[in-house]
Amino acid sequence: SAVISQKPSRDICQRGTSLTIQCQVDSQVTMMFWYRQQPGQSLTLIATANQGSEATYESGFVIDKFPISRPNLTFSTLTVSNMSPEDSSIYLCSVELGYEQYFGPGTRLTVT
Amino acid sequence: EDQVTQSPEALRLQEGESSSLNCSYTVSGLRGLFWYRQDPGKGPEFLFTLYSAGEEKEKERLKATLTKKESFLHITAPKPEDSATYLCAVHVLSGGYQKVTFGTGTKLQVIP
Repeated sequence: SAVISQKPSRDICQRGTSLTIQCQVDSQVTMMFWYRQQPGQSLTLIATANQGSEATYESGFVIDKFPISRPNLTFSTLTVSNMSPEDSSIYLCSVELGYEQYFGPGTRLTVT
Repeated sequence: EDQVTQSPEALRLQEGESSSLNCSYTVSGLRGLFWYRQDPGKGPEFLFTLYSAGEEKEKERLKATLTKKESFLHITAPKPEDSATYLCAVHVLSGGYQKVTFGTGTKLQVIP
């Protein structure tokens, strides 16, 4: 299994600002994933981040809005840029070990 | 387009009343089907991965099965602590990239 931590656990931000979310894993992993879970909804994949290469974004998500860094095999960041109230959501990072996928506790973002 | 549908949306059981949750899917290139448990305010907790039709896995009061079109999560003699949202997700290989698509979940409430 994998133990994943995220910082911050929650934040309240003003419209137009940016927030960077950190994800730390207790083991080295090739791929890390970033998800969004809007209130009352299921998880939507934002992007897949491989160490040493550009992140791959899903339809509807762009790098300018959600830049991702993956500097090493245990760490990644997701930035939510130029935030609007529609970005209020829980953001989760995830890793895959074998064929098991593990999630961090999430970052609850509220944009006012 | 990959689709994952879970039913029912919500389920209320008396303690000890066994039942099943359904996850039907339409995908190409299925690598595996995941089941997760999600408690309020937390990230999903991995339960099972199923890889091929006919496969079954068990964990305590939970048993997951897989056919070519759907998966069931059977809950035997549930307890109040089994109350949570149960998510299924399909892991596919598409265009050289792997992707996980989640269903919308079944919210289970077990009443003492």
